[in-house]
Amino acid sequence: DTGVSQNPRHKITKRGQNVTFRCDPISEHNRLYWYRQTLGQGPEFLTYFQNEAQLEKSRLLSDRFSAERPKGSFSTLEIQRTEQGDSAMYLCASSYRTGAYGYTFGSGTRLTVV
Amino acid sequence: RKEVEQDPGPFNVPEGATVAFNCTYSNSASQSFFWYRQDCRKEPKLLMSVYSSGNEDGRFTAQLNRASQYISLLIRDSKLSDSATYLCVVTFGGATNKLIFGTGTLLAVQP
Repeated sequence: DTGVSQNPRHKITKRGQNVTFRCDPISEHNRLYWYRQTLGQGPEFLTYFQNEAQLEKSRLLSDRFSAERPKGSFSTLEIQRTEQGDSAMYLCASSYRTGAYGYTFGSGTRLTVV
Repeated sequence: RKEVEQDPGPFNVPEGATVAFNCTYSNSASQSFFWYRQDCRKEPKLLMSVYSSGNEDGRFTAQLNRASQYISLLIRDSKLSDSATYLCVVTFGGATNKLIFGTGTLLAVQP
């Protein structure tokens, strides 16, 4: 499978727990993005990596959120001390060029905080 | 004000109908424009780009009016399989090239 892979697909956690999601982009894509989508809304940009460098972070990415992309390959998104408002679909996308062409989304990780 | 605004719908139309979605964007520096389709609980997928000259892909026609900062999508001869959420997307270009999504418009095509 040469698409963008995200794990886990679903995560249910208790409020206050830490969670970590993983994204494996398409191997030749140097650009990697994280988005968050809540019910009834479009995806919202969280952060962007070019290779291993995190070049932009949205103000939505509070200090409880951290993302890494070691060695410019897979990426992880960690949420510490989860809150019910963190419940959302977390989407990862990778791209090799500018524009929406070549921009491939993963199937997402659906987080439910209870 | 949201950067990209859409009517959330739902639009309930019979099979075979023609339906039009509209979208406005607030940043005149926006460079590229797209429509994405998202099925329930799935990831968004690129449907088509939008150009000022207008572009057509089968039953789908997209149009951009830069002066009015307005984007449209027309679907002719609606099929049941067209039922989905249609997301209007803009980018500002630059190093990040992040996608800015509207809230999406829900289309339900009825038999």
